[in-house]
Amino acid sequence: GQQLNQSPQSMFIQEGEDVSMNCTSSSIFNTWLWYKQDPGEGPVLLIALYKAGELTSNGRLTAQFGITRKDSFLNISASIPSDVGIYFCAGQGGSYIPTFGRGTSLIVHP
Amino acid sequence: SQTIHQWPATLVQPVGSPLSLECTVEGTSNPNLYWYRQAAGRGLQLLFYSVGIGQISSEVPQNLSASRPQDRQFILSSKKLLLSDSGFYLCAWGRGKNTEAFFGQGTRLTVV
Repeated sequence: GQQLNQSPQSMFIQEGEDVSMNCTSSSIFNTWLWYKQDPGEGPVLLIALYKAGELTSNGRLTAQFGITRKDSFLNISASIPSDVGIYFCAGQGGSYIPTFGRGTSLIVHP
Repeated sequence: SQTIHQWPATLVQPVGSPLSLECTVEGTSNPNLYWYRQAAGRGLQLLFYSVGIGQISSEVPQNLSASRPQDRQFILSSKKLLLSDSGFYLCAWGRGKNTEAFFGQGTRLTVV
């Protein structure tokens, strides 16, 4: 089956720093999705990517769909305390079921 | 716009008791519906998914079952809960293949 490796597993940064996380797949995806989950809440969709090479921004967030269709990254610029949470990547490879990464836990120190 | 409702938000149940968690979607028709479990705040484990009324696919063997009695209603059930059933349960919906999935607020289940 499809496997998704998300890294890093955890990040501890200072407020104002930039953040970068990525996901790589053992197989090709048609869609890449990035979610953020706050404690005790369901994941919320941040960015959806549909084409290889696509670069999409949402405020301070930027995500890219890798050219090989096997990877994606998410960048957060000028982090703030409310960026704290778990970030998940997910890929869709032609099925009804998205494959999720194991998440990146982000902690931002004021 | 589409919304997804999941309830209850928290639940404490004794071992051996039954379980029923409900999820409904508004503002769309014939959605794909999913139940996930998340342990210890990390990793989303797909339990069940459904592409239509009465169509349920199980991803992992467990003490749980799912049903879809109506187009936009998805129910997660158990006849007898185990301690290991504790966790954070998430319902989600999506459309077709290669599209986004949208999550409900989740249910924190504690089996005691």
